[in-house]
Amino acid sequence: SQTIHQWPATLVQPVGSPLSLECTVEGTSNPNLYWYRQAAGRGLQLLFYSVGIGQISSEVPQNLSASRPQDRQFILSSKKLLLSDSGFYLCAWSVGVGGGTDTQYFGPGTRLTVL
Amino acid sequence: GDSVTQMEGPVTLSEEAFLTINCTYTATGYPSLFWYVQYPGEGLQLLLKATKADDKGSNKGFEATYRKETTSFHLEKGSVQVSDSAVYFCALTGGSQGNLIFGKGTKLSVKP
Repeated sequence: SQTIHQWPATLVQPVGSPLSLECTVEGTSNPNLYWYRQAAGRGLQLLFYSVGIGQISSEVPQNLSASRPQDRQFILSSKKLLLSDSGFYLCAWSVGVGGGTDTQYFGPGTRLTVL
Repeated sequence: GDSVTQMEGPVTLSEEAFLTINCTYTATGYPSLFWYVQYPGEGLQLLLKATKADDKGSNKGFEATYRKETTSFHLEKGSVQVSDSAVYFCALTGGSQGNLIFGKGTKLSVKP
């Protein structure tokens, strides 16, 4: 069966510090991978999407970047964190060609607090 | 663009009460519709889904029917339990990358 891991589970970082969050998927090949952010009072927002190694699409211009160095690994990074980067970061995966019917499965999330 | 509107919470019910959480959507094309549940401190879990009009998704006593004529996907459960306390998200696949578009979530609290 497929599983998805995220780490760390929680993180407290000062403003201006770098960030690296990792997501890995097991039990499937060539998944579509997603990074979402859940900010207080703002629901869930798609940040990045990847259909394959080295292929990243960004939905929202921001202080963050994403990379996919391996088929089942997705990394979210920042060079300098802002207070507004605080939130709950969720990684998700799906299989398929994208579009209307793919079900997405979510990881346990990383809660980031920027002070 | 595509969007999802959920009833605002929080919703507080007594155990064994009937639950309805309203969800309506705006979409071009024919999206799939989903309900996800988020328990405190955890990620999202898929609760149920429907991929075409008149489909009924069901799981753990929860049900929702894809109503194209009213563009709705209301979540219902006949008898809620304390363990159902969570935040419920309605979503559709409609983003430019095939991503999910979520409603803002409805927090449900069930009291014993």
